[in-house]
Amino acid sequence: QSALTQPPSASGSPGQSVTISCTGTSSDVGGYNYVSWYQQHPGKAPKLMIYEVSKRPSGVPDRFSGSKSGNTASLTVSGLQAEDEADYYCSSRAGSNNVLFGGGTKLTVL
Amino acid sequence: QVQLVESGGGVVQPGRSLRLSCVASGFMFSNYGMHWVRQAPGKGLEWVAVIWSDGSNKYYADSVKGRFTISRDDSKNTLYLQMINLRAEDTAVYYCATEGGQLSFCESWGQGTLVTVSS
Repeated sequence: QSALTQPPSASGSPGQSVTISCTGTSSDVGGYNYVSWYQQHPGKAPKLMIYEVSKRPSGVPDRFSGSKSGNTASLTVSGLQAEDEADYYCSSRAGSNNVLFGGGTKLTVL
Repeated sequence: QVQLVESGGGVVQPGRSLRLSCVASGFMFSNYGMHWVRQAPGKGLEWVAVIWSDGSNKYYADSVKGRFTISRDDSKNTLYLQMINLRAEDTAVYYCATEGGQLSFCESWGQGTLVTVSS
């Protein structure tokens, strides 16, 4: 199966909001409420930011939110801060025995 | 707190084998499914394999099926990834991660171990 589709880059100024999309199919994103988002700073391990489409783990700021419509999921970062600059990856369950990641989006805080 | 420490990476020639380990602490390892996820240099994340908490089910990405085997030893709080017939395209940082349930998400991640396949 192909990776989920994300834009390679996104950007915004401090304080602004930015939304990153993640497009799949009815066999993955559209078929399950098991979309998750990860933040990765250079040289670091990924960090879970959103799970099950819109849930936030403890400790993740409420500036981060997730949603889904059809085969496309979205991550919105509100009130952008310098430390939000990182790579972001979406992921989805795909069938009964598979997991897919998106290609990643590099978020730049201008 | 949850801690996952991978080891076993290194430089290996194409066609050879390698076994990665991931030692878990700070949580009840036997209650959690576990993933391996890899990241080639400068590239995105790629899911590799998952094992259920009781070890009853193991699933693999098509790219590694038949060459990689995921296993666990709950008495040692350790997850393994046995890799055989390694190829250049297997070069990556390999991360272990806890499974959130229902193949829903990777909750906690280790720091990764680098595997380089090169002659």
